Amino acid sequence: DAMVIQNPRYQVTQFGKPVTLSCSQTLNHNVMYWYQQKSSQAPKLLFHYYDKDFNNEADTPDNFQSRRPNTSFCFLDIRSPGLGDAAMYLCATSSLQGHEQYFGPGTRLTVT
Amino acid sequence: ILNVEQSPQSLHVQEGDSTNFTCSFPSSNFYALHWYRWETAKSPEALFVMTLNGDEKKKGRISATLNTKEGYSYLYIKGSQPEDSATYLCASNTGGFKTIFGAGTRLFVKA
Repeated sequence: DAMVIQNPRYQVTQFGKPVTLSCSQTLNHNVMYWYQQKSSQAPKLLFHYYDKDFNNEADTPDNFQSRRPNTSFCFLDIRSPGLGDAAMYLCATSSLQGHEQYFGPGTRLTVT
Repeated sequence: ILNVEQSPQSLHVQEGDSTNFTCSFPSSNFYALHWYRWETAKSPEALFVMTLNGDEKKKGRISATLNTKEGYSYLYIKGSQPEDSATYLCASNTGGFKTIFGAGTRLFVKA
């Protein structure tokens, strides 16, 4: 089945130790998104790609970077995780802007 | 600033009860309103996308309405079942790539 896959589902990293979260999709969608969701809060958009065009939200910390080497894969790099970066990270795709999004199951990041 | 508010934050109902939740969003520059269901340990799944004022959508026991002039949407669940237990997210889009999510309503249905 076509889907959005996120690996790993759970990630533990140490304070300041770089970590990469991955997302892949079999939907061939043009748009891929990364969201951060902290406990009981709304998912917050960090950035999105439209094809290879990268768009960073104004309030996304510089500590967060992303790569999209091809249509199928997108990575979230956290260069120096702080305790405040512990959250659920959701990847999503859509065919066009404003259309429904297809989500992965998320990666729950713990920072020790 | 575009804020999407959902109420209540959580809701406990008995099996068979009907229930509803509210999503409010800024009515200016509206393009689409999305509802998603997010079960624990699974991916959020789209329930409805609504674009026109007065839209009503239905999927089984779940339905939703949209009022774009006043900026609100209701989600209704008729005869709640334990498998309806999930977080229900609404999200508003103004036509660009950015979709603003609410914090969700967490529904618990007790058998």
